[in-house]
Amino acid sequence: DQQVKQNSPSLSVQEGRISILNCDYTNSMFDYFLWYKKYPAEGPTFLISISSIKDKNEDGRFTVFLNKSAKHLSLHIVPSQPGDSAVYFCATDGYQKVTFGTGTKLQVIP
Amino acid sequence: EAQVTQNPRYLITVTGKKLTVTCSQNMNHEYMSWYRQDPGLGLRQIYYSMNVEVTDKGDVPEGYKVSRKEKRNFPLILESPSPNQTSLYFCASTLRGNSNYGYTFGSGTRLTVV
Repeated sequence: DQQVKQNSPSLSVQEGRISILNCDYTNSMFDYFLWYKKYPAEGPTFLISISSIKDKNEDGRFTVFLNKSAKHLSLHIVPSQPGDSAVYFCATDGYQKVTFGTGTKLQVIP
Repeated sequence: EAQVTQNPRYLITVTGKKLTVTCSQNMNHEYMSWYRQDPGLGLRQIYYSMNVEVTDKGDVPEGYKVSRKEKRNFPLILESPSPNQTSLYFCASTLRGNSNYGYTFGSGTRLTVV
C-alpha cells in the first residue's frame, strides 16, 4: 500500500523555465508535507514543507502547492537552474511516521 | 557543524556475519530513523525512535534491530545479513516527529551482502 506516489520517474526542463514536480497521497490524516532533494552519493536534503492547513508555501525559487481535495502536492521551481538537477522526493509526516515517495529525477538542461 | 554521521560509508560482508552500522547526531534531536533506498522503491523506513529507549518498527523491519540507549546514537544491527539486505542505508534525525522541521540525513552507507 503505497501512500505517497510520484508517478513521473524523470523530468527534463530547459534552464530558466519552470519545473513542476508532482506527488499524490492517499491518507488525509497527514499533517505535514515535505520535499527533499538528493544528489548522487549524498543523503537527501530537506528543501521545503507545507502544513495541511495551508495551500501554498514559498521559499525563494521554490513553491509548494497543496490541493487537499485532490490529495495532490506539487513543487514548482522557477527559474530552473542546472544545479537543481537531482532526485526530488516528496514525503508526508504523520504522527510517528514519515513516508517518502519513489522520487522524480529532474534534469535541467543548460 | 550540525550533522548526522554514519559509519561505515561502504561495507561488503558475507551472508550471516553480524554487522552494525553506527549513526550519531549532534543536534540534540529527539527523533531518529533508518531508511533503505532501493531502485524504484524510494526510501523505505526500517525503524524509528521517538526518544531514548523508545523505538518502533517502520515499513520494512524484518532482519534488522535497533537500540537507542543515548539520545545522540541510533545504531542499526543486522544479526544475520542476507543478500536481499544489499542496499543504500540512510540514518536521519529531526527535532521531533509530526512536524515541518524536516529530517537531517547522513551521507549513507552502501551495504553489499554476498
